[in-house]
Amino acid sequence: NAGVTQTPKFQVLKTGQSMTLQCAQDMNHEYMSWYRQDPGMGLRLIHYSVGAGITDQGEVPNGYNVSRSTTEDFPLRLLSAAPSQTSVYFCASSAGTTGVDEQFFGPGTRLTVL
Amino acid sequence: AQKITQTQPGMFVQEKEAVTLDCTYDTSDPSYGLFWYKQPSSGEMIFLIYQGSYDQQNATEGRYSLNFQKARKSANLVISASQLGDSAMYFCAMRGNNNNDMRFGAGTRLTVKP
Repeated sequence: NAGVTQTPKFQVLKTGQSMTLQCAQDMNHEYMSWYRQDPGMGLRLIHYSVGAGITDQGEVPNGYNVSRSTTEDFPLRLLSAAPSQTSVYFCASSAGTTGVDEQFFGPGTRLTVL
Repeated sequence: AQKITQTQPGMFVQEKEAVTLDCTYDTSDPSYGLFWYKQPSSGEMIFLIYQGSYDQQNATEGRYSLNFQKARKSANLVISASQLGDSAMYFCAMRGNNNNDMRFGAGTRLTVKP
């Protein structure tokens, strides 16, 4: 049971490049989400999904796309990278969406956009 | 809208002493959960403790306890008998039953002195 896995761990992009951050979980969780962590700002929600085929925007969705074709995978796509997207990205999952549902986090991807 | 506030950017505590990390929240959800996560320098997010809004007793997990004061909308984390390994960032988070996201505070950096 690997939990939540993310690839890559580190990535450097040039402004304007696109890329996909991968996230997978093997806990059969319905809920998955992407956060970005910037210094002094905690974690902010980018996009989330409550099940395969269902996605929605979080607090800071601009510049990012997501899709959820399977329960296990929830990739995050950067369409045209900008220096403001330099951040640490965390993927998380939980069994449900209620107040009792703890989120399990992946190890994070550190992204630098030059 | 949900909001989490952590007013202490940094805290110091002497090894073996207790420390309280503050967290206040705001929500219109009648039912919600409060979570604390630890983020060591290695970067991963580690779940520490959970408190439900309708729980009558304060949550405890080993050396961690949550001082939950619903009327004051506060959910402070108490770490007893601090250890050097407790040095880390600590995040307070909240999840409402009627919201699909988990909101985080900006975090508190705890340093345990030998």
